Amino acid sequence: DAGVIQSPRHEVTEMGQEVTLRCKPISGHNSLFWYRQTMMRGLELLIYFNNNVPIDDSGMPEDRFSAKMPNASFSTLKIQPSEPRDSAVYFCASSAASGSSGYTFGSGTRLTVV
Amino acid sequence: AQSVAQPEDQVNVAEGNPLTVKCTYSVSGNPYLFWYVQYPNRGLQFLLKYITGDNLVKGSYGFEAEFNKSQTSFHLKKPSALVSDSALYFCAVTPPRDYKLSFGAGTTVTVRA
Repeated sequence: DAGVIQSPRHEVTEMGQEVTLRCKPISGHNSLFWYRQTMMRGLELLIYFNNNVPIDDSGMPEDRFSAKMPNASFSTLKIQPSEPRDSAVYFCASSAASGSSGYTFGSGTRLTVV
Repeated sequence: AQSVAQPEDQVNVAEGNPLTVKCTYSVSGNPYLFWYVQYPNRGLQFLLKYITGDNLVKGSYGFEAEFNKSQTSFHLKKPSALVSDSALYFCAVTPPRDYKLSFGAGTTVTVRA
């Protein structure tokens, strides 16, 4: 298994531009999570999908952020317009079931907004 | 609501010495507990978990952790640390049958040669 695959690994963009981050979860996993990691705030859960349906998006910081999961093998996190304070590492994780199996994380996308 | 505390931002040990990374938690009911490790520029990697059963669980790379219900702790341990163990370690907890892992702030471990 190739694990959770995220793209791109690095993204540098100018303030105001649209940014799209992509994630392919592990086949057979029915839960998908988007996290943001910064030095100041640590790991923050942004949104959680179960069976492709958004369950909890209370961590999405504002309307500039949106996430979709059109099918079981693909999810996107979009920021429009981007701002410098969005600079962070964004992780996608997937899980086979709630609770006991834990998460498998992707390698992350390092986003820099200048 | 569940929460996790990792009281030490940093732990420094000499290679070959025992390593302990502390974690305490707060959750309703019997918890599911996890440890993850993050190496520079990498995602979080699963180390070990406690779901039920023996309080001492063994995981990857020679790590183990002991679940202590009375002290609500789940400290990570390694008898003899290696320089390659230098990384950021996260403790996480979730109530049973819940989806949402709550992560601690992380502890940076530095093992000096």
